[in-house]
Amino acid sequence: AQTVTQSQPEMSVQEAETVTLSCTYDTSESDYYLFWYKQPPSRQMILVIRQEAYKQQNATENRFSVNFQKAAKSFSLKISDSQLGDAAMYFCAYRSGLGYALNFGKGTSLLVTP
Amino acid sequence: GAGVSQSPSNKVTEKGKDVELRCDPISGHTALYWYRQSLGQGLEFLIYFQGNSAPDKSGLPSDRFSAERTGGSVSTLTIQRTQQEDSAVYLCASSFSPDRGFNYTFGSGTRLTVV
Repeated sequence: AQTVTQSQPEMSVQEAETVTLSCTYDTSESDYYLFWYKQPPSRQMILVIRQEAYKQQNATENRFSVNFQKAAKSFSLKISDSQLGDAAMYFCAYRSGLGYALNFGKGTSLLVTP
Repeated sequence: GAGVSQSPSNKVTEKGKDVELRCDPISGHTALYWYRQSLGQGLEFLIYFQGNSAPDKSGLPSDRFSAERTGGSVSTLTIQRTQQEDSAVYLCASSFSPDRGFNYTFGSGTRLTVV
């Protein structure tokens, strides 16, 4: 089974600053997808960004971007110009190319201070 | 509906009782997933439905856990003889068939507390 590791249980960032959340994964597959999800107190998981492993270009969605290092099996999330509304749990997830279910890390709690 | 609906939002039950958790997926989503999120943990996969069939039940932690889906729509997760370790948030997600993409929509979960 693929393992997803988030080594930072908690992170803190000041409003308007940039923060990077780390994620590493273990797989022998070449075809897979990686995701970052945000979970606010409402508990609903919200997709932040997705990366297809076959794409070399890093995915970007507005203030959110990833640094995808396939050889190193690393998939970090950068949040630029942090806002108070970014405070939440962030989960990194993996899905096999031929699979269906998401395999999640344990999450990073992001605190945004004014 | 517009989103994935789960009920109840919160459930407190006594140890040994049975509970049923309901998930109403997005209309047209053929795939449905149940996950369990224990305190301080990530999401643990429980079961996957494609239509009314469950090709993967490998994540169900014991035979006290079962799930069904009817009409290719609503799913019910049943936990019999609840134990304190069953306390967690149970999240449901739905999507189109996995070979059609990977846009998963999650519900807000049911927080189960076993006392």
